[in-house]
Amino acid sequence: AQSVTQLDSHVSVSEGTPVLLRCNYSSSYSPSLFWYVQHPNKGLQLLLKYTSAATLVKGINGFEAEFKKSETSFHLTKPSAHMSDAAEYFCVVSDQAAGNKLTFGGGTRVLVKP
Amino acid sequence: GAGVSQSPSNKVTEKGKDVELRCDPISGHTALYWYRQSLGQGLEFLIYFQGNSAPDKSGLPSDRFSAERTGGSVSTLTIQRTQQEDSAVYLCASSRASGRSTDTQYFGPGTRLTVL
Repeated sequence: AQSVTQLDSHVSVSEGTPVLLRCNYSSSYSPSLFWYVQHPNKGLQLLLKYTSAATLVKGINGFEAEFKKSETSFHLTKPSAHMSDAAEYFCVVSDQAAGNKLTFGGGTRVLVKP
Repeated sequence: GAGVSQSPSNKVTEKGKDVELRCDPISGHTALYWYRQSLGQGLEFLIYFQGNSAPDKSGLPSDRFSAERTGGSVSTLTIQRTQQEDSAVYLCASSRASGRSTDTQYFGPGTRLTVL
């Protein structure tokens, strides 16, 4: 069975400083991994996805994530936070054994201080 | 182009009533999914339609929940005899029908259901 653990439920950063959101996954098969962002009262938007190509994945708005199989991690980073990055972020896993069902982590809420 | 649309955006109902939630997927997407986002349970899978195949209903929490997809496009999620624990945001997503776990799912804005 697949599962996802987001290690921080809340992260607070100052504008202009780096952001790190941590995610560990469990999957019996070669997983696909995604990061989605949800702004208040908005739908889920895809930031980036890993599908067994390059292990360093670049996404929208300056975000990137690195797939590390040995550590079963898929942490999300951004070098310099912007006020508009304040939102909730979800790490998501999908694998063939689960069909195309997505399994979501518990979410990390990001607060950006001016 | 148009994204996934859902209606209504908000629904308030009384305990015991039936409700219907609608999802219109992206044109050309033959895979459609329903998820539920609630405070206690986070985001969880409910049901999945892929083309003309039998739907995967493994995530439906009880037999009060059902869904159908007519003409391979619009889907309706029905909750019968609603309970307060059904209060949540119901999200619909669609993807291209490659049948692979690598497919990106595109989400609608959700329907916020409140059961009084």
